[in-house]
Amino acid sequence: DAGITQSPRHKVTETGTPVTLRCHQTENHRYMYWYRQDPGHGLRLIHYSYGVKDTDKGEVSDGYSVSRSKTEDFLLTLESATSSQTSVYFCAISDVGAGTDTQYFGPGTRLTVL
Amino acid sequence: EDQVTQSPEALRLQEGESSSLNCSYTVSGLRGLFWYRQDPGKGPEFLFTLYSAGEEKEKERLKATLTKKESFLHITAPKPEDSATYLCAVQAKGGNQFYFGTGTSLTVIP
Repeated sequence: DAGITQSPRHKVTETGTPVTLRCHQTENHRYMYWYRQDPGHGLRLIHYSYGVKDTDKGEVSDGYSVSRSKTEDFLLTLESATSSQTSVYFCAISDVGAGTDTQYFGPGTRLTVL
Repeated sequence: EDQVTQSPEALRLQEGESSSLNCSYTVSGLRGLFWYRQDPGKGPEFLFTLYSAGEEKEKERLKATLTKKESFLHITAPKPEDSATYLCAVQAKGGNQFYFGTGTSLTVIP
């Protein structure tokens, strides 16, 4: 299994509160991604990073921000959580350009916003 | 617009009954097509990467094939432990983003 951990694994929070999810990798892969998974929508990209301090938006980035200060850590922040952000969040890593672009996923974080 | 459609949404098979899952895609130049397996409450698990039309890959009872418009995941003589949701994703050339289908939920009945 790819060395990817996510924390917390479960979180319940209230509308309007800030929330930060953490993804940690031990593979030294350059690319890291945050997705959300909702019934009927599949996996949708929120943000991704292609290096330390280098990030870009995905298709559902509104209401989310990210930071990457170290190769191994990628943080996803919900500045003011809303009920529409209740979802399962997955982190993924890949070594794009190194011969294979395959993504490997973490175990997920289930977030409930009340 | 890059797009991925998987069919059927759900599939129930008897143990040993072979079948195929479909992934149709539109992308502005394909860099790679990916198959994943996802069990309830877990993250997607990588199965295969296909890069060009005509390519095939196999793993145990699973075989993935690729044409210019679609990919098939063939399941031969499935077992109950093959029950899972199977996801397909594509990556366009020159792009860093991956586009996922909504998956096929497979149930194999003993």
